[in-house]
Amino acid sequence: SQQGEEDPQALSIQEGENATMNCSYKTSINNLQWYRQNSGRGLVHLILIRSNEREKHSGRLRVTLDTSKKSSSLLITASRAADTASYFCAYNAGNMLTFGGGTRLMVKP
Amino acid sequence: DAGVIQSPRHEVTEMGQEVTLRCKPISGHNSLFWYRQTMMRGLELLIYFNNNVPIDDSGMPEDRFSAKMPNASFSTLKIQPSEPRDSAVYFCASTPGTLGRETQYFGPGTRLLVL
Repeated sequence: SQQGEEDPQALSIQEGENATMNCSYKTSINNLQWYRQNSGRGLVHLILIRSNEREKHSGRLRVTLDTSKKSSSLLITASRAADTASYFCAYNAGNMLTFGGGTRLMVKP
Repeated sequence: DAGVIQSPRHEVTEMGQEVTLRCKPISGHNSLFWYRQTMMRGLELLIYFNNNVPIDDSGMPEDRFSAKMPNASFSTLKIQPSEPRDSAVYFCASTPGTLGRETQYFGPGTRLLVL
């Protein structure tokens, strides 16, 4: 069910730097969500952006959505070592969510 | 709230054995999802229940897999007989409403290894 693509697949940065992850999809959507998964854990919902929204903020997270390009980005500002995790975008293809392949983020102290 | 509860957290079994994974969704949630995660295929939706009724099982790989939701607080995913290629992490998730496109709340997963 992976119809979304995330870019990059892996990202390594230093603590304090910003991390940007991108997601592309192929269908019309109602909303797009971002989830985080720590190693060995379940996915945790971070933020949801609706199709009529262009940008949304939550703490150090900033999400943008461009429905004309069928793409979204997640920006984590002032990254911390604790942000090390995999990040997944998920969008609704019909009445269910389709998850992207994820970006593995490593933040070095 | 305790969140979505899954058991067991880890399961090691031999090929041919029956495996039963269990899930308790968040109280009051009306939809429940079973996913499988592997390195090769990522996160795949297996089946989706709405008010205890299976809505879409098109992701269930084959007849060896079956899922039930006898009541609003319990669901099982059964693999019989199990095969080594079934080794994966299986997640259960639930949502408050009846639309699968809402925010989903995931359990910690069951890590299954079939030898």
